[in-house]
Amino acid sequence: EVQLVQSGAEVKKPGESLKISCKDSGNDFIRHWIAWVRQMPGKGLEWMGSIYPGDSDTRYSPSFQGQVTMSADKSISTAYLQWSSLKASDTAMYYCARLDYLHASHMDVWGKGTTVTVSS
Amino acid sequence: SYVLTQPPSVSVAPGQTARVTCGGNNIGSKSVHWYQQKPGQAPVLVVYGDSDRPSGIPERFSGSNSGNTATLTINRVEPGDEADYYCQVLNSTSDHRYVFGTGTKVTVL
Repeated sequence: EVQLVQSGAEVKKPGESLKISCKDSGNDFIRHWIAWVRQMPGKGLEWMGSIYPGDSDTRYSPSFQGQVTMSADKSISTAYLQWSSLKASDTAMYYCARLDYLHASHMDVWGKGTTVTVSS
Repeated sequence: SYVLTQPPSVSVAPGQTARVTCGGNNIGSKSVHWYQQKPGQAPVLVVYGDSDRPSGIPERFSGSNSGNTATLTINRVEPGDEADYYCQVLNSTSDHRYVFGTGTKVTVL
Protein backbone atom coordinates (compact mmCIF):
# COMPACT_ATOMS: atom_id res chain seq x y z
CA GLU A 1 0.00 0.00 0.00
CA VAL A 2 1.43 3.35 -1.04
CA GLN A 3 1.86 5.83 1.78
CA LEU A 4 2.90 9.44 1.88
CA VAL A 5 4.79 10.12 5.09
CA GLN A 6 4.93 13.75 6.09
CA SER A 7 7.35 15.45 8.46
CA GLY A 8 6.33 16.40 11.96
CA ALA A 9 4.62 19.44 13.39
CA GLU A 10 6.49 22.74 13.32
CA VAL A 11 6.30 25.81 15.54
CA LYS A 12 8.02 28.86 14.09
CA LYS A 13 8.26 32.60 14.55
CA PRO A 14 7.25 35.15 11.91
CA GLY A 15 10.05 35.77 9.46
CA GLU A 16 11.65 32.36 9.90
CA SER A 17 12.12 29.90 7.07
CA LEU A 18 10.71 26.39 6.91
CA LYS A 19 10.86 23.33 4.69
CA ILE A 20 8.46 20.43 5.22
CA SER A 21 8.64 17.08 3.51
CA CYS A 22 6.52 14.30 2.05
CA LYS A 23 8.11 10.91 1.42
CA ASP A 24 6.51 8.40 -0.95
CA SER A 25 6.85 4.80 0.24
CA GLY A 26 5.90 3.38 -3.17
CA ASN A 27 8.02 2.53 -6.20
CA ASP A 28 6.71 4.98 -8.78
CA PHE A 29 7.29 8.35 -7.17
CA ILE A 30 8.50 9.91 -10.41
CA ARG A 31 5.34 8.97 -12.32
CA HIS A 32 2.76 10.80 -10.22
CA TRP A 33 2.20 14.48 -9.70
CA ILE A 34 2.28 15.45 -6.03
CA ALA A 35 -0.07 18.19 -4.86
CA TRP A 36 0.12 20.34 -1.75
CA VAL A 37 -3.12 21.33 -0.06
CA ARG A 38 -3.60 23.87 2.72
CA GLN A 39 -6.28 23.72 5.37
CA MET A 40 -6.44 26.69 7.69
CA PRO A 41 -7.96 26.15 11.14
CA GLY A 42 -11.66 25.39 10.81
CA LYS A 43 -11.62 26.01 7.05
CA GLY A 44 -11.79 24.07 3.81
CA LEU A 45 -9.22 22.61 1.45
CA GLU A 46 -7.14 24.82 -0.88
CA TRP A 47 -4.89 23.56 -3.67
CA MET A 48 -1.52 25.30 -3.44
CA GLY A 49 0.32 23.73 -6.33
CA SER A 50 1.66 20.51 -7.80
CA ILE A 51 5.02 19.11 -8.78
CA TYR A 52 6.00 16.27 -11.12
CA PRO A 53 9.02 14.63 -9.51
CA GLY A 54 10.14 13.07 -12.80
CA ASP A 55 11.29 16.42 -14.16
CA SER A 56 10.36 18.86 -11.34
CA ASP A 57 7.74 20.54 -13.52
CA THR A 58 5.85 22.70 -11.03
CA ARG A 59 2.50 24.49 -11.23
CA TYR A 60 1.37 26.95 -8.58
CA SER A 61 -2.04 28.27 -7.71
CA PRO A 62 -2.08 32.01 -8.36
CA SER A 63 -2.93 32.46 -4.68
CA PHE A 64 0.35 30.86 -3.63
CA GLN A 65 2.69 31.82 -6.50
CA GLY A 66 5.69 33.60 -5.01
CA GLN A 67 4.68 32.69 -1.45
CA VAL A 68 6.03 29.13 -1.35
CA THR A 69 8.46 26.95 -3.26
CA MET A 70 7.87 23.31 -4.16
CA SER A 71 10.66 20.92 -4.97
CA ALA A 72 11.36 17.20 -5.16
CA ASP A 73 14.31 14.86 -4.76
CA LYS A 74 13.54 11.76 -6.77
CA SER A 75 16.59 9.92 -5.42
CA ILE A 76 14.84 9.69 -2.05
CA SER A 77 11.21 9.86 -3.29
CA THR A 78 10.54 13.02 -1.34
CA ALA A 79 8.67 16.21 -2.15
CA TYR A 80 9.13 19.47 -0.27
CA LEU A 81 7.23 22.65 0.48
CA GLN A 82 9.16 25.61 1.74
CA TRP A 83 8.76 29.17 2.93
CA SER A 84 11.52 31.76 3.08
CA SER A 85 9.74 34.09 5.50
CA LEU A 86 6.75 32.78 7.42
CA LYS A 87 3.77 34.88 8.43
CA ALA A 88 1.19 34.25 11.13
CA SER A 89 -1.33 33.68 8.35
CA ASP A 90 0.68 30.60 7.24
CA THR A 91 -0.58 28.80 10.34
CA ALA A 92 -2.41 25.78 8.93
CA MET A 93 -2.35 22.06 8.27
CA TYR A 94 -0.51 21.18 5.07
CA TYR A 95 -1.24 17.97 3.21
CA CYS A 96 0.63 16.37 0.38
CA ALA A 97 -1.41 14.15 -1.91
CA ARG A 98 -0.65 11.97 -4.90
CA LEU A 99 -2.52 12.74 -8.09
CA ASP A 100 -3.88 9.79 -10.03
CA TYR A 101 -1.57 8.39 -12.69
CA LEU A 102 -3.95 8.38 -15.67
CA HIS A 103 -5.27 11.92 -15.74
CA ALA A 104 -3.79 13.70 -12.69
CA SER A 105 -7.36 14.79 -12.04
CA HIS A 106 -7.88 13.70 -8.43
CA MET A 107 -5.92 12.94 -5.28
CA ASP A 108 -5.96 9.25 -4.56
CA VAL A 109 -3.45 9.02 -1.70
CA TRP A 110 -2.99 11.60 1.03
CA GLY A 111 -0.37 12.15 3.70
CA LYS A 112 -1.50 12.61 7.28
CA GLY A 113 -0.59 16.29 7.19
CA THR A 114 1.96 18.59 8.80
CA THR A 115 0.75 21.22 11.25
CA VAL A 116 2.57 24.53 10.95
CA THR A 117 2.11 27.10 13.69
CA VAL A 118 3.59 30.57 13.23
CA SER A 119 3.48 32.71 16.34
CA SER A 120 5.65 35.29 18.02
CA SER B 1 -12.04 31.70 -11.22
CA TYR B 2 -14.23 28.63 -11.05
CA VAL B 3 -16.34 28.28 -7.90
CA LEU B 4 -17.87 25.13 -6.44
CA THR B 5 -20.69 25.74 -3.97
CA GLN B 6 -21.81 23.19 -1.38
CA PRO B 7 -24.42 23.48 1.40
CA PRO B 8 -22.68 24.06 4.74
CA SER B 9 -24.51 21.21 6.43
CA VAL B 10 -26.71 18.20 5.84
CA SER B 11 -28.39 16.25 8.62
CA VAL B 12 -29.65 12.71 8.24
CA ALA B 13 -30.96 9.95 10.47
CA PRO B 14 -29.15 6.61 10.58
CA GLY B 15 -30.32 4.28 7.84
CA GLN B 16 -31.60 7.11 5.67
CA THR B 17 -30.08 8.66 2.55
CA ALA B 18 -27.84 11.72 2.57
CA ARG B 19 -27.36 13.81 -0.56
CA VAL B 20 -24.58 16.39 -0.78
CA THR B 21 -24.70 18.74 -3.74
CA CYS B 22 -21.88 20.59 -5.48
CA GLY B 23 -22.88 23.43 -7.76
CA GLY B 24 -20.70 24.89 -10.49
CA ASN B 25 -21.14 26.47 -13.90
CA ASN B 26 -21.64 23.61 -16.38
CA ILE B 27 -20.05 21.20 -13.89
CA GLY B 28 -21.62 18.37 -15.88
CA SER B 29 -18.87 18.86 -18.47
CA LYS B 30 -16.18 18.20 -15.86
CA SER B 31 -15.13 15.15 -13.89
CA VAL B 32 -16.06 15.49 -10.22
CA HIS B 33 -14.34 13.84 -7.29
CA TRP B 34 -15.42 13.62 -3.66
CA TYR B 35 -13.43 13.43 -0.43
CA GLN B 36 -14.46 12.52 3.10
CA GLN B 37 -12.65 14.16 6.00
CA LYS B 38 -13.28 13.05 9.56
CA PRO B 39 -12.21 15.28 12.48
CA GLY B 40 -8.47 15.29 12.96
CA GLN B 41 -7.84 13.13 9.90
CA ALA B 42 -6.63 13.62 6.37
CA PRO B 43 -9.15 13.58 3.52
CA VAL B 44 -9.97 10.27 1.88
CA LEU B 45 -11.13 9.86 -1.71
CA VAL B 46 -14.61 8.28 -1.77
CA VAL B 47 -15.77 8.91 -5.35
CA TYR B 48 -13.79 9.81 -8.46
CA GLY B 49 -14.72 10.42 -12.08
CA ASP B 50 -18.27 11.46 -11.10
CA SER B 51 -19.35 8.00 -9.96
CA ASP B 52 -16.48 5.53 -9.52
CA ARG B 53 -15.43 4.24 -6.11
CA PRO B 54 -11.86 3.48 -5.05
CA SER B 55 -11.31 0.01 -3.67
CA GLY B 56 -12.38 -0.24 -0.05
CA ILE B 57 -15.11 2.38 -0.29
CA PRO B 58 -18.56 0.92 0.45
CA GLU B 59 -21.13 0.70 -2.31
CA ARG B 60 -23.33 2.94 -0.17
CA PHE B 61 -21.33 5.86 -1.59
CA SER B 62 -22.27 6.92 -5.10
CA GLY B 63 -22.05 10.00 -7.27
CA SER B 64 -23.77 11.66 -10.21
CA ASN B 65 -23.12 14.76 -12.27
CA SER B 66 -25.24 16.67 -14.74
CA GLY B 67 -25.88 20.24 -15.78
CA ASN B 68 -24.79 22.60 -13.05
CA THR B 69 -24.92 20.16 -10.12
CA ALA B 70 -22.97 17.13 -8.98
CA THR B 71 -24.31 15.00 -6.14
CA LEU B 72 -22.74 12.63 -3.64
CA THR B 73 -25.28 10.15 -2.31
CA ILE B 74 -24.74 8.11 0.83
CA ASN B 75 -27.27 5.31 1.24
CA ARG B 76 -28.10 3.64 4.54
CA VAL B 77 -26.15 6.23 6.46
CA GLU B 78 -24.14 5.02 9.44
CA PRO B 79 -22.80 7.00 12.41
CA GLY B 80 -19.29 6.52 11.02
CA ASP B 81 -20.23 8.52 7.90
CA GLU B 82 -20.37 11.72 9.95
CA ALA B 83 -17.68 13.91 8.40
CA ASP B 84 -16.95 16.86 6.15
CA TYR B 85 -17.31 16.15 2.45
CA TYR B 86 -15.61 18.11 -0.34
CA CYS B 87 -16.14 18.01 -4.07
CA GLN B 88 -13.24 18.78 -6.42
CA VAL B 89 -12.63 19.33 -10.12
CA LEU B 90 -9.62 19.91 -12.31
CA ASN B 91 -10.55 23.22 -13.86
CA SER B 92 -7.61 23.58 -16.24
CA THR B 93 -5.70 20.62 -17.58
CA SER B 94 -2.82 22.70 -18.87
CA ASP B 95 -2.34 24.72 -15.70
CA HIS B 96 -3.31 22.00 -13.23
CA ARG B 97 -5.86 24.25 -11.58
CA TYR B 98 -7.58 22.15 -8.93
CA VAL B 99 -10.68 23.57 -7.29
CA PHE B 100 -12.32 22.31 -4.11
CA GLY B 101 -15.87 22.91 -3.06
CA THR B 102 -16.68 24.83 0.08
CA GLY B 103 -17.35 21.66 2.04
CA THR B 104 -20.42 20.11 3.67
CA LYS B 105 -20.68 18.83 7.21
CA VAL B 106 -22.79 15.67 7.27
CA THR B 107 -24.31 15.11 10.70
CA VAL B 108 -25.87 11.77 11.62
CA LEU B 109 -28.70 12.45 14.02
